[in-house]
Formats: sequence, structure tokens, C-alpha cells
Amino acid sequence: QVQLQQSGPGLVKPSQTLSLTCTVSGGSITSSTYFWSWFRQPAGKGLEWIGRVFRSGDTSYNPSLKSRVAISIDTSKNQFSLKLSSVTAADTAVYYCAREAAVAGAPTEDSWGQGTLVTVSS
Amino acid sequence: QSALTQPAAVSGSPGQSITISCTGTSSDVDAHKYVSWYQQHPGTAPKLVIFDVNNRPSGVSNRFSGSKSGNTASLTISGLLAEDEAEYFCSSYANSTSLDVIFGGGTKLTVL
Repeated sequence: QVQLQQSGPGLVKPSQTLSLTCTVSGGSITSSTYFWSWFRQPAGKGLEWIGRVFRSGDTSYNPSLKSRVAISIDTSKNQFSLKLSSVTAADTAVYYCAREAAVAGAPTEDSWGQGTLVTVSS
Repeated sequence: QSALTQPAAVSGSPGQSITISCTGTSSDVDAHKYVSWYQQHPGTAPKLVIFDVNNRPSGVSNRFSGSKSGNTASLTISGLLAEDEAEYFCSSYANSTSLDVIFGGGTKLTVL
């Protein structure tokens, strides 16, 4: 059974870059049947999609974050990563990585990381 | 990209059935014909309970079911259990040409 393990700092200073990594075990990140996605959830609020990366390295991003986001994949380490630049307090949230079924009629994230609370503060 | 609309809260007694609605537009819910539903307990990651309108992942109770009519999707939980108390989110793609993901604001289910 696939597992996603997140790593990265829980505290980032304003204007700096948030960096998180998601390590996949129990399955290959090069599978053609899945995408690899990032989400976030501010305290007490709903979920927001950040973006996804395909095994090829191609990406798609939330238009509202596109100018500050970069998602990459490292197939040699079975990992994918998120970078969010120029962070502000508004970026404080729990960040999740997830596996998304590539062939589905609706967003189908069937496995999730444990979540990382990232606080933006000086 | 507009968010999907869900009621903020619903409640029911053990053994009863409840339904949570998720209303979109002709661009998202109606256009893609499919919606997913996630369950989230406090402090934990979301869990997929319904995908493609009315399909359950392995391990999800058959007490969970989904349906859709036009631009409104619904999640029904029958035979409510205390463990069903959680936040529920619906999700769809933003429009017919985009795989951008949008969510509803979430519905807090309280089991009385």
C-alpha cells in the first residue's frame, strides 16, 4: 500500500521560500496511472489545490498561485517537491501532498501525506 | 474559478440518514459530470469516500453513497455512526477544458 511521507520546515520567514518534499513508498512515482499533487488548508478553513506534477515533469498550477509556485519530481528518489516563493502570513496553512488518479472524471486523491503545518512568521 | 457551495453544517442522530449537497455551475459540476467527496476528521488528512459521483474506494462503507443532478451533487450517509462526525468536502474540476481542482467550503456533520 502506497504511503506518502512529508518533510520540510514548519517555520518560514516572510518573503522567503517555502520548501516541502513528499517521499512515496510502496509504489513508483513513475506510474502512468497517477499524478502527484499539493494542497493546503488554513486553520479552520477549506482545502485549496496548489498544483500537480506528472511523471514527465510537466506541471499544472492553481492560477491564483501560479506566479509563486514550482512543483518538481525526482524519480530517482521517488519524491516530489513544492516550492512557494515570497511567502506572507496568508500562506500559513497545513500543507498536504497527495496521489491523484490520472484517469478519473473528478479529482480523485486516494492517498495523502500526513500534513505539515507551515507558519510564516519572522 | 469559483468554489462549490455546501451547507456549513448538518446534523443527524445515530441510525438516521443525512444528505450533504454540493452546488456548482454549468462550467464545473455539470460540465464534468463527476464529483468526489472527502471526509476529514480534526487534525487528520482528508480521506476519499466517493469518486466519480457514486464510486467508493476499497474499504469505504457502503453506507456512503453519492448522486448528481444537473449542477448539484449530493453525498448521503445512511445508518449514521458516531465515527461519521467529521468535515466533508466535495471536489470537481474547474471547467470542461481544465483539470484545475476546486472544492466546496466544507460541511460539518454532527452526530447528535
